[in-house]
Amino acid sequence: KNEVEQSPQNLTAQEGEFITINCSYSVGISALHWLQQHPGGGIVSLFMLSSGKKKHGRLIATINIQEKHSSLHITASHPRDSAVYICAVESGFRTSYGKLTFGQGTILTVHP
Amino acid sequence: EPEVTQTPSHQVTQMGQEVILRCVPISNHLYFYWYRQILGQKVEFLVSFYNNEISEKSEIFDDQFSVERPDGSNFTLKIRSTKLEDSAMYFCASNPMGGNQPQHFGDGTRLSIL
Repeated sequence: KNEVEQSPQNLTAQEGEFITINCSYSVGISALHWLQQHPGGGIVSLFMLSSGKKKHGRLIATINIQEKHSSLHITASHPRDSAVYICAVESGFRTSYGKLTFGQGTILTVHP
Repeated sequence: EPEVTQTPSHQVTQMGQEVILRCVPISNHLYFYWYRQILGQKVEFLVSFYNNEISEKSEIFDDQFSVERPDGSNFTLKIRSTKLEDSAMYFCASNPMGGNQPQHFGDGTRLSIL
């Protein structure tokens, strides 16, 4: 069973700051997902990656397969980035069919 | 952009009653999922569904739970005899090809068992 741990659990920042959220997992994976959960509860997929780095706007996600670690970075943070950020992993097994195992989430609050 | 839609947004039910949560996945997607999130806890996988059958299910998904795709568009989760501990947010998700692809989530159904 894969254990997914995120740090920090809570993060408070001032507008404009650079933010990093970390995720580590215990067992080899086929893919890692970064998700955003809005205050109303809805979940949006931000990134899916299996190696290297991806960038979308002010968001950057990296993964180090050897170290079983991923980071999500937000540059020039804004109050609208306030949300829960969740890391989730897919098993490396061929029969996984996309089952996700989730971390506990990081609550990000960005103050103006 | 196409969306996954879930109804109802909030369901309040007496303990022991049956509930059906409904989802309309994105039309060209072939893999469907149900997850749940108990208040203050992690999101948990319940079940994946492909080609009109369950692909994988978790330990949580016991005989009280069932899923079906009754009409080619809706994807439903049924809980036969609800318990207090079934109170949670239930999310439906879909994607085109299963593993190693982003999943598209609905906004969730908040289920409250009294």
